[in-house]
Amino acid sequence: GDSVTQTEGPVTLSEGTSLTVNCSYETKQYPTLFWYVQYPGEGPQLLFKVPKANEKGSNRGFEATYNKEATSFHLQKASVQESDSAVYYCALRNNNNNAPRFGAGTKLSVKP
Amino acid sequence: EAAVTQSPRSKVAVTGGKVTLSCHQTNNHDYMYWYRQDTGHGLRLIHYSYVADSTEKGDIPDGYKASRPSQENFSLILELASLSQTAVYFCASSGQGRDTQYFGPGTRLLVL
Repeated sequence: GDSVTQTEGPVTLSEGTSLTVNCSYETKQYPTLFWYVQYPGEGPQLLFKVPKANEKGSNRGFEATYNKEATSFHLQKASVQESDSAVYYCALRNNNNNAPRFGAGTKLSVKP
Repeated sequence: EAAVTQSPRSKVAVTGGKVTLSCHQTNNHDYMYWYRQDTGHGLRLIHYSYVADSTEKGDIPDGYKASRPSQENFSLILELASLSQTAVYFCASSGQGRDTQYFGPGTRLLVL
């Protein structure tokens, strides 16, 4: 079945430093890939999604490229802020009558 | 804006007792899902549904039942609650195809 593996957390960074959260996936189909973010006390919410291979998604300074050959979708941000502290989930979804699968989540803490 | 609500928001249950978690969405979405969240495991899919009166097993269905009596409502039932079912439970909904999921705020369940 489908599966997603991402960087184990927690990750602690100082404000202004760069972030990379690795995500790799396995599927026999052609997925849409997602990054979700979850703030404390809330449900996950979409950060962005990329439906096509070799395209890039971005939002709020975060970005990721759908690399079909490497089956990867790494999340990056050049300069993190304290407000970016959250749990980040990589996910994939295939066709209808199926359900998205999520990675284990990466908890990011950014210190001022 | 998509809206998914869950009730109760928190619950304490006794081992062997019956627990029902409810989810309601006003998005007119066909798909609904139940996930559990545990530290180190991320979001794991329990059950999902893509049409009323029908449910599908996810990756960890043992010990859980699901009910979808209408498009708007999706319940998760623990007939005999166990200590290992202590977790945060999230409901989500989405449209057709590879659409984004919208999550509820979660239900924190403690089984004693």
